[in-house]
Amino acid sequence: GDSVTQMEGPVTLSEEAFLTINCTYTATGYPSLFWYVQYPGEGLQLLLKATKADDKGSNKGFEATYRKETTSFHLEKGSVQVSDSAVYFCALSVSQAGTALIFGKGTTLSVSS
Amino acid sequence: DAGVTQSPTHLIKTRGQHVTLRCSPISGHKSVSWYQQVLGQGPQFIFQYYEKEERGRGNFPDRFSARQFPNYSSELNVNALLLGDSALYLCASSLAMDGKETQYFGPGTRLLVL
Repeated sequence: GDSVTQMEGPVTLSEEAFLTINCTYTATGYPSLFWYVQYPGEGLQLLLKATKADDKGSNKGFEATYRKETTSFHLEKGSVQVSDSAVYFCALSVSQAGTALIFGKGTTLSVSS
Repeated sequence: DAGVTQSPTHLIKTRGQHVTLRCSPISGHKSVSWYQQVLGQGPQFIFQYYEKEERGRGNFPDRFSARQFPNYSSELNVNALLLGDSALYLCASSLAMDGKETQYFGPGTRLLVL
């Protein structure tokens, strides 16, 4: 079945460091790919998305490129801030019966000043 | 515009009881989905409703049920609660359901079953 695999956390970085969170997927159809972020005690917020191969999603300095050949959607940011500390979820959506989001287990990012 | 709203924010129940969780989608959104997020895990899909009809169901027992009302709000019902039902229940709404649409999440209802 369809699935998403994220790198294990926690990821601990110093402010202004470069961030990469790896995400790979398995899907039978042509999924749309998403990154959501969850701050402590809150629901999920969409960070960025890409709906077809080679699309690049970007928002707030974060970027991810939909790579069909490697079935990947890695999240990157050139310079993290303390306020980026949160849990990041990679997810896919395949239009079948319903359009459920399938999430990875999440990666906790902790940024220190 | 208001985002997705959920009520209550927190709930404590005992095993065997029944619970009803409520969700109001973003104005104009016709699709509502429910997810269960156990501590330390990613959300798991429970149901999706579109135009008041069930359009998708995840791998959850029949103790879980839901419905969508004419104003597109939704309820999630869980019967015969188990300790393992303790989780954050998230509601998400979207304009459509073509697989490319963005689902917008509410803050969730945190359920504790004792």
